[in-house]
Amino acid sequence: DAGVIQSPRHEVTEMGQEVTLRCKPISGHNSLFWYRQTMMRGLELLIYFNNNVPIDDSGMPEDRFSAKMPNASFSTLKIQPSEPRDSAVYFCASSPLTGSLTYEQYFGPGTRLTVT
Amino acid sequence: GENVEQHPSTLSVQEGDSAVIKCTYSDSASNYFPWYKQELGKRPQLIIDIRSNVGEKKDQRIAVTLNKTAKHFSLHITETQPEDSAVYFCAAGGDYKLSFGAGTTVTVRA
Repeated sequence: DAGVIQSPRHEVTEMGQEVTLRCKPISGHNSLFWYRQTMMRGLELLIYFNNNVPIDDSGMPEDRFSAKMPNASFSTLKIQPSEPRDSAVYFCASSPLTGSLTYEQYFGPGTRLTVT
Repeated sequence: GENVEQHPSTLSVQEGDSAVIKCTYSDSASNYFPWYKQELGKRPQLIIDIRSNVGEKKDQRIAVTLNKTAKHFSLHITETQPEDSAVYFCAAGGDYKLSFGAGTTVTVRA
């Protein structure tokens, strides 16, 4: 199994530009999570999908952030327009979550985003 | 919501000694407590987890204990080695959501 796949691994963009981060979860996992990691705030959950449906987006910082999961094998996190304070490492994680029982989450390699 | 506190924030140990990291949580409904290890520039990787119906779990040099009454859980690493140097995160969750501690930077001195 290739594990969770994310692209790009690194992204450098200028303020105001649109940024799209991509994630392919582990095959068979029905839950997908987007996290943001910074030194100041640690690991923050941005949004959670179950069976391709967004269940909890309370962590999305503002309307500039949006996420989609059009099918079981692909998700995107978009920032438009980007700002320097969005600079962080963005992780995607997937889990074989079933019902209300929490299972282990497997993290992708992350995308290091730098907004200048 | 759940609030997880983790201590200490940094820990330096001599190779071969033990390391202990402690976490407390606030939501009594939490029933899943994983520990992740993150090396510099890498992804968090699950190293051990415990559920609320178990008080202790061990995997080779790593063990986790859980006290549901006191709402705290701990990670124990015995016979530390240089490759144990990393940031360790505890987390607590119920349903689907995990709340992470702020992390402990462990340095193993050779």
